Amino acid sequence: GQQLNQSPQSMFIQEGEDVSMNCTSSSIFNTWLWYKQDPGEGPVLLIALYKAGELTSNGRLTAQFGITRKDSFLNISASIPSDVGIYFCAGQETSGSRLTFGEGTQLTVNP
Amino acid sequence: GAGVSQSPSNKVTEKGKDVELRCDPISGHTALYWYRQSLGQGLEFLIYFQGNSAPDKSGLPSDRFSAERTGGSVSTLTIQRTQQEDSAVYLCASSFVGLNPQQYFGPGTRLTVT
Repeated sequence: GQQLNQSPQSMFIQEGEDVSMNCTSSSIFNTWLWYKQDPGEGPVLLIALYKAGELTSNGRLTAQFGITRKDSFLNISASIPSDVGIYFCAGQETSGSRLTFGEGTQLTVNP
Repeated sequence: GAGVSQSPSNKVTEKGKDVELRCDPISGHTALYWYRQSLGQGLEFLIYFQGNSAPDKSGLPSDRFSAERTGGSVSTLTIQRTQQEDSAVYLCASSFVGLNPQQYFGPGTRLTVT
């Protein structure tokens, strides 16, 4: 089946630093999404990407949909303590279909 | 407005017992998804309901797992004869149908099989 490789698995950074995480896939997705999950809650959508090569920003977050349709990255600039959590990439083959998730990146931000 | 709700929030059961997990989707959302999240892992797709169409059951791990959606709204995920490897957080999501619909997730049910 489809698999998403997400890296790094964990990151420990100082407040104010920028971070970057990425996902690669063995197959093509037509939509890439990035979610954040806080403890005891479900994932919350941060950014959705619908076109190959698309670069989209949401505040301090920037994500790109790779031109091969097999990868995506997420950048967080000027990190703050509330950025702590687990970040997941997800791929979707067609609109409304199931999501295939990466294994997550645990982000820790030290004040 | 109300988001996706799930109940119970936590469930501890003995190996071999059956359990039912409930999902109340966002009103008006016709698509409903169940995922499973094991400790420290990403989410794994289980089953997908879309309106009156036959559900996509391709992610169910065994025939001990089943789900139904009554009246196009509430869904119940049933696990029969639970095993310890069924311990996980079970997450439900719902979405509308249209261009680029977003899946909204509930808080999940944490299932522990002892």
